[in-house]
Amino acid sequence: AQSVTQPDIHITVSEGASLELRCNYSYGATPYLFWYVQSPGQGLQLLLKYFSGDTLVQGIKGFEAEFKRSQSSFNLRKPSVHWSDAAEYFCAVAPPRVDYKLSFGAGTTVTVRA
Amino acid sequence: GAVVSQHPSWVICKSGTSVKIECRSLDFQATTMFWYRQFPKQSLMLMATSNEGSKATYEQGVEKDKFLINHASLTLSTLTVTSAHPEDSSFYICSARDGGSYGEQFFGPGTRLTVL
Repeated sequence: AQSVTQPDIHITVSEGASLELRCNYSYGATPYLFWYVQSPGQGLQLLLKYFSGDTLVQGIKGFEAEFKRSQSSFNLRKPSVHWSDAAEYFCAVAPPRVDYKLSFGAGTTVTVRA
Repeated sequence: GAVVSQHPSWVICKSGTSVKIECRSLDFQATTMFWYRQFPKQSLMLMATSNEGSKATYEQGVEKDKFLINHASLTLSTLTVTSAHPEDSSFYICSARDGGSYGEQFFGPGTRLTVL
């Protein structure tokens, strides 16, 4: 079974500073990898995804993520954070071409200070 | 494109009553829909997977008689919480995927259920 670890429960970052959220997964092969963002009281919005190919993935809202097979990681980054980026971020994995069931990490809460 | 709606967005009910939550894919046909439950400040837990025209597959520990799922068409799945109790209060989120994608799921906005 796959599992996802997001080591950081809560991160506080200043507006304009860079942000990196960590995600490690456990799976026998390379799974499909996703990052989602959830604003208070809202559903999940997909930021980016990795299926195969280029290991640096560009997403929406200026986010990018890098897949590192050797480290079983899929860390999310943003060079300059905006106050509107304050939200809950979830990393998720799914077994490729099987049942597409997503397993979510525990989430990282991002607080942006002025 | 790829919009999923849920109705209602929030509901308050009395203990012992049943509540139905609808999940619709608005601009695509969803071969598979998923139902998740999210407790405050926690992650999403998959409850069940439903395929159009067949019985839902429930995750371990989820009571199928408590959480009835129907996927009657390619654009609609419903979750009925039967004989709801306060411990069923939660945020319920559905997602849908079409058969042509790489398994990407599109999420609804969620339904906040409060059982008094």
